Amino acid sequence: QVQLQQWGAGLLKPSETLSLTCAVYGGSFSGYQWSWIRQPPGKGLEWIGEINHSGSTNYNPSLKRRVTISVDTSKDQFSLKLSSVTAADTAMYYCARGVRGVRSSTAFSYSYYYMDVWGKGTTVTVSS
Amino acid sequence: DIHMTQSPSSLSASVADRVTITCRASQSISTYLNWYQQKPGKAPELLIYAASTLRGGVPSRFSGSGSGTDFTLTISSLQPEDFATYYCQQTYSTPRTFGQGTKVEIK
Repeated sequence: QVQLQQWGAGLLKPSETLSLTCAVYGGSFSGYQWSWIRQPPGKGLEWIGEINHSGSTNYNPSLKRRVTISVDTSKDQFSLKLSSVTAADTAMYYCARGVRGVRSSTAFSYSYYYMDVWGKGTTVTVSS
Repeated sequence: DIHMTQSPSSLSASVADRVTITCRASQSISTYLNWYQQKPGKAPELLIYAASTLRGGVPSRFSGSGSGTDFTLTISSLQPEDFATYYCQQTYSTPRTFGQGTKVEIK
């Protein structure tokens, strides 16, 4: 059973850099996309970005200037750094596994990409 | 960015009710549409992917339909454990945007 365990500093001051790491246990690291998603208190979900085992990344344009997602395949871990944080970055941060594939038969064919395993979340508060 | 709009934002329903939540994309996303359930204090959990494929282990009272821009999540007979917030997500392109959520509450 694949599990994601995440950790990082939970209290930051404005202008500091948020740093979180997510470790993958019980499953393969390669062949998947690895994402970060956040959720401000009482609000909805915001996709931050993703990385694959080769280090290829996609970022949300709204955060791209401040975000770096990296991977350490030797440890089956991936990390998030978000620079110059403000109170607006206060949120629960989740890591998640992305599964991409194609399903086909004689009757149908479709592609898919979903996030099926999530970490428990890390609360990050930005306050002076 | 592809904007995802869910409706309603919240609803009140009773156990055994049939519940329908809709999700509309601002442009065609084929069937790159996923549905997640989130309970308070917990991470979201995948229910349905590719618009209509039920994830293994998810009760058959959940179903999804749609393609292109209009999608639906249906709970055929609401159970006590289904009271939660539901999110749609498009994975057709980046950024992989979510709907604003639909909170299903007890009537």
